[in-house]
Amino acid sequence: QKEVEQNSGPLSVPEGAIASLNCTYSDRGSQSFFWYRQYSGKSPELIMSIYSNGDKEDGRFTAQLNKASQYVSLLIRDSQPSDSATYLCAVNLMDSSYKLIFGSGTRLLVRP
Amino acid sequence: ETGVTQSPTHLIKTRGQQVTLRCSSQSGHNTVSWYQQALGQGPQFIFQYYREEENGRGNFPPRFSGLQFPNYSSELNVNALELDDSALYLCASSFRESPEQYFGPGTRLTVT
Repeated sequence: QKEVEQNSGPLSVPEGAIASLNCTYSDRGSQSFFWYRQYSGKSPELIMSIYSNGDKEDGRFTAQLNKASQYVSLLIRDSQPSDSATYLCAVNLMDSSYKLIFGSGTRLLVRP
Repeated sequence: ETGVTQSPTHLIKTRGQQVTLRCSSQSGHNTVSWYQQALGQGPQFIFQYYREEENGRGNFPPRFSGLQFPNYSSELNVNALELDDSALYLCASSFRESPEQYFGPGTRLTVT
């Protein structure tokens, strides 16, 4: 079983719609959760971090965490074509190194 | 822009050769992590350096080694290159006390 799982997509949504990206993780001891956006040919960019159960909003982005279900999600409201990218979910294992374990990413396509 | 820099941008090497990749961390950050990202996959943790010492290692063979310098910059060395080492190599910097990691632009390594 992969430690962090994401649907590879592509997830296709029309411009202005809400895009919903999901991620599950296997390590119950995980404490920190992140969403990175990666444009084709570029490096990952940190867009959201969440540490406690519930919702965290930042502009058009909302991260949701449910530790009991081992589930993290990212909602993008009013999706724009510029949001088209691969979204990587990452989980921080609670060891001394703070290493990040990544999913394989979900490709999002926002249609004009 | 994260302030993390990496060099070179691209590199082509022959199987069996050795390569050194370089990373300068964001100002104030004292920890550097290295990741390997194969095409279509999420980044995989190679190792992390803090206070010039290796602080955690992923599932990579000993031919992957690294250094951190007093100014917190870092090097990744790979010996006896194999075709499967072809990937995007990412450096991420962070504060030791924070799990948030910020990536540099990456080095694209091609092994022929």
